[in-house]
Amino acid sequence: GDSVTQMEGPVTLSEEAFLTINCTYTATGYPSLFWYVQYPGEGLQLLLKATKADDKGSNKGFEATYRKETTSFHLEKGSVQVSDSAVYFCALSTHYGGATNKLIFGTGTLLAVQP
Amino acid sequence: SQTIHQWPATLVQPVGSPLSLECTVEGTSNPNLYWYRQAAGRGLQLLFYSVGIGQISSEVPQNLSASRPQDRQFILSSKKLLLSDSGFYLCAWSVPRTTKRNQPQHFGDGTRLSIL
Repeated sequence: GDSVTQMEGPVTLSEEAFLTINCTYTATGYPSLFWYVQYPGEGLQLLLKATKADDKGSNKGFEATYRKETTSFHLEKGSVQVSDSAVYFCALSTHYGGATNKLIFGTGTLLAVQP
Repeated sequence: SQTIHQWPATLVQPVGSPLSLECTVEGTSNPNLYWYRQAAGRGLQLLFYSVGIGQISSEVPQNLSASRPQDRQFILSSKKLLLSDSGFYLCAWSVPRTTKRNQPQHFGDGTRLSIL
């Protein structure tokens, strides 16, 4: 079945360091791909998305490119801030039951940015 | 714009007590609705989803049930809570797939449930 694999955390970086969180997927058909962010004690917020191969999603300095050839959607940011500390979830949207999309989530990666 | 509300934000309940968590969505019609559970330090598990009033699909067998009495209201319930029901419960909505395919889900702020 469809699945998402994320790199294990926690990832600890100093402020202004470069961030990469790896995400690979397995899916039949043509899924859309998403990154969600969860700040402590809060729900999930959609960070960025890509709906087809070679699309690049971007938001708040974060970027991810939908790579069909490597089935990957790695999250990157050039210079992280302390406020970026959160859990990041990679997810794909797959067809389900004809009337709804089902999101398949990775296990999440905790990012801790130190000043 | 669309908003999603969950309450309560935090709940402490004794084992064996009943549960009712509520989720409402504003600013959209006929949304798909979802309940997830996030256990401490783990990923999200889809519990239920609904594509319309009175239509509930269960993803995993468990001690919980869901209902959708109105178009934009989704309720998670239990008759007798277990210790294993502790966790962070998240409600989400999306536009129907029949409207647009592969759209994201939008999440509420969650309810942290502790069972004593």
